Amino acid sequence: GAGVSQSPSNKVTEKGKDVELRCDPISGHTALYWYRQSLGQGLEFLIYFQGNSAPDKSGLPSDRFSAERTGGSVSTLTIQRTQQEDSAVYLCASAPSSLGAAGELFFGEGSRLTVL
Amino acid sequence: TQLLEQSPQFLSIQEGENLTVYCNSSSVFSSLQWYRQEPGEGPVLLVTVVTGGEVKKLKRLTFQFGDARKDSSLHITAAQPGDTGLYLCAGAGSFNKFYFGSGTKLNVKP
Repeated sequence: GAGVSQSPSNKVTEKGKDVELRCDPISGHTALYWYRQSLGQGLEFLIYFQGNSAPDKSGLPSDRFSAERTGGSVSTLTIQRTQQEDSAVYLCASAPSSLGAAGELFFGEGSRLTVL
Repeated sequence: TQLLEQSPQFLSIQEGENLTVYCNSSSVFSSLQWYRQEPGEGPVLLVTVVTGGEVKKLKRLTFQFGDARKDSSLHITAAQPGDTGLYLCAGAGSFNKFYFGSGTKLNVKP
């Protein structure tokens, strides 16, 4: 069965370049989350999409970060003018909305970003 | 700053020992989840607790949600090397926004 798919799995870029990370959620899941994880530690909330509602962008660390979700499905996280501190694993998760707070988040394997 | 603090951060024990991991916050959550993550993979859900004071048992794992729904604990009995991984708690806030803890890295030595 198809789970959450993220690409690329690994990305090495030079400081100052822009990068795009893609997330393909499980079909039918209306909720989509982006998290950042540094050095195998906890997950830092970045942004949350729920159906057709305006996204909750409160976790984006700076205006260099943006994300969109087209047609309620695929999402792209864009980081402009990358900095070395942006190096991390970026995890995407999706969830069905029907179970609300009791629902399970299904994660992709993440995109590991390294900024040189 | 993390909304949810976990302790300990690291735990290295021998096979057969018991352990407890704590997840604490000053915020109230409508549910509390525990996930386990292995290297190179995304976190996978272990359990969801939704009622203050709730206790759930899954084989050798026991999960408890605090009465005030601000904290939780995970107890593992007779740990095995297969339990090795990063354990993460996650609290559901308003509008089903999930906040994750700082993580506990567990290593169980054979």
